[in-house]
Amino acid sequence: SYELTQSPSVSVSPGQTASITCSGDKLGEKYVCWYQQKPGQSPVVVIYQDTKRPSGIPERFSGSNSGNTATLTISGTQTMDEADYYCQAWDSNTYVFGTGTKVAVL
Amino acid sequence: EVQLVESGGGLVQPGGSLRLSCAASGFTFNNYAMSWVRQAPGKGLEYVSTITGSGGATYYADSVKGRFTISRDNSKNTMSLQMNSLRAEDTAVYYCAKDSRGYGDFLDFDYWGQGTLVTVSS
Repeated sequence: SYELTQSPSVSVSPGQTASITCSGDKLGEKYVCWYQQKPGQSPVVVIYQDTKRPSGIPERFSGSNSGNTATLTISGTQTMDEADYYCQAWDSNTYVFGTGTKVAVL
Repeated sequence: EVQLVESGGGLVQPGGSLRLSCAASGFTFNNYAMSWVRQAPGKGLEYVSTITGSGGATYYADSVKGRFTISRDNSKNTMSLQMNSLRAEDTAVYYCAKDSRGYGDFLDFDYWGQGTLVTVSS
């Protein structure tokens, strides 16, 4: 079965850039969606179809996808961005989620 | 405004059964595939099951295949998950989620419910 791997955690200082990677075989040939989940809340889409931002999502969130790696970048990270982030792709009639990355803003 | 509201969670003994429901509003329900995604305490998101807009096709994660059954009633804009032979490892928050694509296509989830907690324990 298809697998998506993320690093468990990322630490970033306020105002700096956080990069979260998601790795999978030929991932660049699939669309990737990124979800943000804060404690006790449901996931929220921050990036879909690799690079698109839903309305209401700040411009500091951006995405890219090429080769075997998709990347979610948070520029000028704010304390409110502290959350778990999951990548997701569709493969063989299954929604596949990444292992998740906890972003700490210190 | 799209709304997804889950219900039916609770405490159940191992081997028992539970039926979850998801009430949808704010979009043309029968145009979109709907899914269940779960999250065990302190763990990541895990795909559970999907049903197409017409209800004509269903898909399951290997971990629940043969024990869970997904269904929908397009006349009532509701989706259900019948969970049988429950195990401790099925303990999780279960989310109802709507696919963004519609019309027989699958891609990602643009709306999620608030989740309902299922606890399997004696």
